[in-house]
Amino acid sequence: GAGVSQSPSNKVTEKGKDVELRCDPISGHTALYWYRQSLGQGLEFLIYFQGNSAPDKSGLPSDRFSAERTGGSVSTLTIQRTQQEDSAVYLCASSLGGISSYNEQFFGPGTRLTVL
Amino acid sequence: AQSVTQLDSHVSVSEGTPVLLRCNYSSSYSPSLFWYVQHPNKGLQLLLKYTSAATLVKGINGFEAEFKKSETSFHLTKPSAHMSDAAEYFCVVSDGDTGRRALTFGSGTRLQVQP
Repeated sequence: GAGVSQSPSNKVTEKGKDVELRCDPISGHTALYWYRQSLGQGLEFLIYFQGNSAPDKSGLPSDRFSAERTGGSVSTLTIQRTQQEDSAVYLCASSLGGISSYNEQFFGPGTRLTVL
Repeated sequence: AQSVTQLDSHVSVSEGTPVLLRCNYSSSYSPSLFWYVQHPNKGLQLLLKYTSAATLVKGINGFEAEFKKSETSFHLTKPSAHMSDAAEYFCVVSDGDTGRRALTFGSGTRLQVQP
């Protein structure tokens, strides 16, 4: 079946502009994660959605970052007033969810964001 | 709090020789540990995982890792490297009691395989 998809694959924007990154998880996966992969910081957790529960936003680096997940499926990560340090690859992952046992996280190909 | 330390940023081996990628972890609770691989311009792929069952874990493509609680290590090995193994490898921990199961990644080890 289809894996996790993300769009766009590449995004170049000017400093100060807003951007939206989209993630389509694997059908039936209730858990969705956003990560950021950048040269200086490695791979870091941003936000986590599980079903209808309130999202865990503890990894968001600033209030310019927000995310939503509509209908328990597609998720959008929004970065307002982008800064050059936001340049990174943004990865989305989904899993079957639940906390009774670990479920593998499947990663999308990522969106490479470049802020000029 | 949980953390992962990958002891080598780069490892270079010759094709056909053994591979050893080192990883040490720190976790407050019973951790789940993983190795992911990322080939150039490809997504992250799970190689193997440890979730408190057998301490020696076998993964895909001939890789395996051994969980050693006394040494807080989870080193990745392969008996014989192949050219196609050249990639970046991430040691990852998921804290068993946080509920959200978000992953904490190591800084990565780039494996080069020489012909």
